[in-house]
Amino acid sequence: DQQVKQNSPSLSVQEGRISILNCDYTNSMFDYFLWYKKYPAEGPTFLISISSIKDKNEDGRFTVFLNKSAKHLSLHIVPSQPGDSAVYFCAASDSWGKFQFGAGTQVVVTP
Amino acid sequence: NAGVTQTPKFQVLKTGQSMTLQCAQDMNHNSMYWYRQDPGMGLRLIYYSASEGTTDKGEVPNGYNVSRLNKREFSLRLESAAPSQTSVYFCASSEVRVHEQYFGPGTRLTVT
Repeated sequence: DQQVKQNSPSLSVQEGRISILNCDYTNSMFDYFLWYKKYPAEGPTFLISISSIKDKNEDGRFTVFLNKSAKHLSLHIVPSQPGDSAVYFCAASDSWGKFQFGAGTQVVVTP
Repeated sequence: NAGVTQTPKFQVLKTGQSMTLQCAQDMNHNSMYWYRQDPGMGLRLIYYSASEGTTDKGEVPNGYNVSRLNKREFSLRLESAAPSQTSVYFCASSEVRVHEQYFGPGTRLTVT
């Protein structure tokens, strides 16, 4: 039962433009949401998170938006850089700290 | 400060063989996790340990056992490996309230 879904397996964006990654969830018990970035042959690394009491969180070029009524979150990367080419995972956690991850979106930033 | 370490990095097993994947963290985290990553499936939780002395099943626990040896170490055992267990395995740790997880570099396991 996949409760966190990333419906776009891949995204290609030009350097300098905005990348928008989307994630949907079904479990209303999730109260914390995270984005991870993964390069080949490495473990995922934490990027940015948001609590269910907020609707936006910014960290430099990265902004996460949460729409609780729609059970939807998105990650904006502005401006996109070649080093942003990676797989991005959306994850959701309940209050027990039990995580569920989406299938990932492969981002390719082209010159 | 090494973060999360995993051994081995690579392993090839024959069907029916057993092995243990080791994981250790030096961040004094309470919670530890084992995931597997398969193409198109993302990361799926196998087992987790919310605190020392406790373990719970995740999404895909069948065929695996775990041991939380102490606060630092969390091992994953395959008693009788099957080709369906061919995957990349990641260990992670977190402070429960912080929620952010730190991942190890992964173990690439092939079962023939």
